[in-house]
Amino acid sequence: KAGVTQTPRYLIKTRGQQVTLSCSPISGHRSVSWYQQTPGQGLQFLFEYFSETQRNKGNFPGRFSGRQFSNSRSEMNVSTLELGDSALYLCASSLVQGAEQFFGPGTRLTVL
Amino acid sequence: SQQGEEDPQALSIQEGENATMNCSYKTSINNLQWYRQNSGRGLVHLILIRSNEREKHSGRLRVTLDTSKKSSSLLITASRAADTASYFCATDGVYNQGGKLIFGQGTELSVKP
Repeated sequence: KAGVTQTPRYLIKTRGQQVTLSCSPISGHRSVSWYQQTPGQGLQFLFEYFSETQRNKGNFPGRFSGRQFSNSRSEMNVSTLELGDSALYLCASSLVQGAEQFFGPGTRLTVL
Repeated sequence: SQQGEEDPQALSIQEGENATMNCSYKTSINNLQWYRQNSGRGLVHLILIRSNEREKHSGRLRVTLDTSKKSSSLLITASRAADTASYFCATDGVYNQGGKLIFGQGTELSVKP
């Protein structure tokens, strides 16, 4: 099976812009979770989707949003980018809650 | 805030030696997972141990879980230079909805040839 894929791999934006990141889960996986990784805060949970429904959300401002499509692919959007949004954004998919999460390679976002 | 605490933050050993990393957490869990990350890339899943398990093996990896102490350890035996990476523990809490994992800060392992 193909692994989790994320596009784009690298992105450079300026403050105030918005960005959309995409994640394709492993075939058959219906749960997709998103995480932000920064040197200061480490790995932090953003949100999780299962069958197009957001089941859980981390402690991030409303500028961070996401969605999931019927084919389980997921997107996350960050509006009005701030310098502090520079991070590695990782998505993970799993078969069911409580199972292993398999991560994609990440999208490295740089905000200038 | 992150739930997991990992110890040590950095570990440097010679090839062939064993490496032990520890993880502590705060709330009741369904399972605990260990991941490896090479140089800011994606996380690779290593092993999952459920709350009713005490020990699990996978190749050169041995994980223990002590729910009474809310702690886990990862042992890598006969380490290789290719094991150089950051290692993270992550917990799936009993009271979580959805696939939320809480990660520790990680242990940076350096294995010198």
